Order: sequence, then C-alpha cells, then structure tokens
Amino acid sequence: AQTVTQSQPEMSVQEAETVTLSCTYDTSESDYYLFWYKQPPSRQMILVIRQEAYKQQNATENRFSVNFQKAAKSFSLKISDSQLGDAAMYFCAYRSEYSGGGADGLTFGKGTHLIIQP
Amino acid sequence: EPEVTQTPSHQVTQMGQEVILRCVPISNHLYFYWYRQILGQKVEFLVSFYNNEISEKSEIFDDQFSVERPDGSNFTLKIRSTKLEDSAMYFCASSVRRPPTDTQYFGPGTRLTVL
Repeated sequence: AQTVTQSQPEMSVQEAETVTLSCTYDTSESDYYLFWYKQPPSRQMILVIRQEAYKQQNATENRFSVNFQKAAKSFSLKISDSQLGDAAMYFCAYRSEYSGGGADGLTFGKGTHLIIQP
Repeated sequence: EPEVTQTPSHQVTQMGQEVILRCVPISNHLYFYWYRQILGQKVEFLVSFYNNEISEKSEIFDDQFSVERPDGSNFTLKIRSTKLEDSAMYFCASSVRRPPTDTQYFGPGTRLTVL
C-alpha cells in the first residue's frame, strides 16, 4: 500500500516570503499522480497543483510550484510571494494510475498547517 | 464556480443510531466519493461510486456503510448503526471522469459526533 508523509505539522512564513512544504511518499508503482490540496479554515479542500509521475518537468501554477524527485519519492510545494490568503492546511496526496484495491481514492498525508505572518 | 455541497455541517447522534450524510456533487460530474478524517489523523478514502453502483471501496467501508444516489442530484452515505469510532469529518467529492485522470472536487465536510 502507498503511504504519504508530511513531516512538518506546522510552518510559518512572513508575508511576501517563500516557503517550501515537504512531502514524501512510498510506492512500488511507476505510474501515479501527485497532488497538493489546500484547505482554508472551515472551507473545502481545493486543488493547488498536480503532477503526473511520467512527466519530468515540474508543475507550476502561478506562485505555486513543485519539486518532484521521482527517484527520491519526494514532492515538495514551493509558495512564492506568500499572501495572507495562503494560510491554510496543505495536504499532499497520491493516486495510483491503476484501478482496483481502492485506487480510485486519494492517499493523503496528515497535512501541514501554514501560517502567514503579516 | 460550481461547488460540492454537504449537509448537515455538523451531526450529533447517539451510538447505535442510523445517520445519513448528504452531498450534492457538481452537476456534470459522474464519479462520486466519500472520505473520512478522524480527528488528528489522515483523510482516508471510503468509497467511489459511478453509474449507480460502487466502483471501489476501501477496507474501512464495511457492511455498516452504504451509499446511494436517490435522485439526480443527491449522493448519500448511510451509517447503519453508529459507533463511537465513527466520529469524524466526512468529505464528499466528485469528478467528471474516472480516476486517475481527473481532479476530485471536495465538499466542506460533515462533522459527525457519536455520543
């Protein structure tokens, strides 16, 4: 079974600075998808960014980018020019390319609580 | 922008009672999911649903759980006889296409408290 580990329960960053959230995962599969979801307080989880494992190029969405290291099974999220609205829980998630055995579902890490200091 | 909605936001029930959690997925989505998050633990996949039947389910989704789409809009999770350990946040999600190619959109969750 796959596991996802987020080793930072909480991170704090000054507004306008850059912060990197860590995520590692364990899998024996070669094809899979990785995601970062953001959950603001009392709001639903929204997708921040996704990465297909077969793509070597790191995904980027505006101020959000990832550092995907397939061999190291690492998938960190970098947030540039942090804004107050970035404050949230951030979840790293994995999904298999294959079906069966619950693979429809995402496997989540425990989350990192990001605090933005004004 | 369309969103997944869930009702109620908080449900309190007595152990042994049946509860039904409701979700309205995004209207053109075809795949539906339930997840749960016990306090302090990870979000865990329960079940996926497509074309009026369960597509996949996890080990957690045992006989006390059931899902259905009773009409064209609602997607429900029923817990037949609640236990204390069922206390958790329950998230509904939906996607347009079958995993893994498509993004899952999540609702805000229902907090279930079993006393």
